[in-house]
Amino acid sequence: SQQGEEDPQALSIQEGENATMNCSYKTSINNLQWYRQNSGRGLVHLILIRSNEREKHSGRLRVTLDTSKKSSSLLITASRAADTASYFCATDLSGSARQLTFGSGTQLTVLP
Amino acid sequence: DGGITQSPKYLFRKEGQNVTLSCEQNLNHDAMYWYRQDPGQGLRLIYYSQIVNDFQKGDIAEGYSVSREKKESFPLTVTSAQKNPTAFYLCASSKGVTDTQYFGPGTRLTVL
Repeated sequence: SQQGEEDPQALSIQEGENATMNCSYKTSINNLQWYRQNSGRGLVHLILIRSNEREKHSGRLRVTLDTSKKSSSLLITASRAADTASYFCATDLSGSARQLTFGSGTQLTVLP
Repeated sequence: DGGITQSPKYLFRKEGQNVTLSCEQNLNHDAMYWYRQDPGQGLRLIYYSQIVNDFQKGDIAEGYSVSREKKESFPLTVTSAQKNPTAFYLCASSKGVTDTQYFGPGTRLTVL
């Protein structure tokens, strides 16, 4: 069953604009991670935010976590054509099922 | 040069044949995973292993088998019992089951 669901499914923006993707989940988590996948390639880890953290930054990336709403957002500022990829959130569920569950992803296209 | 490798990159199989996908890591990670990805979809967990000689079924284990005889290696066999095996297969490893996962480049399996 899908734990994390990204929104929107697809996003198209112009270079230089900001891109915001959202992830909602259903049950309590230990942490939430964001990954990026270029077409036909493996996933690359971007950032991890723990359940007791509200915001985290890494370069042009900003991730927020709202555990009361069971949601997270990934903001990419000043986007570049090279940011074109699929972005996935992955949740580490609280409890005994200690494994990551991936959402279905947001396909981001940055137009030059 | 540390990392996680998968081979082959492309694999073609006739219906009714078993096929084994290779995954090797030299990151000294305890945990390893196999995921399946269908076009436009997220990742679904097939099997994972937290430690040598131990592995657990994921969400879609039917028709697949794995072994973990060495820490570095986690091969996946797609058996003839798997009804729809054509997909992109991704292997990953992590220090522990809830840590950042590092992905291989993937194997695209096509059943003819």
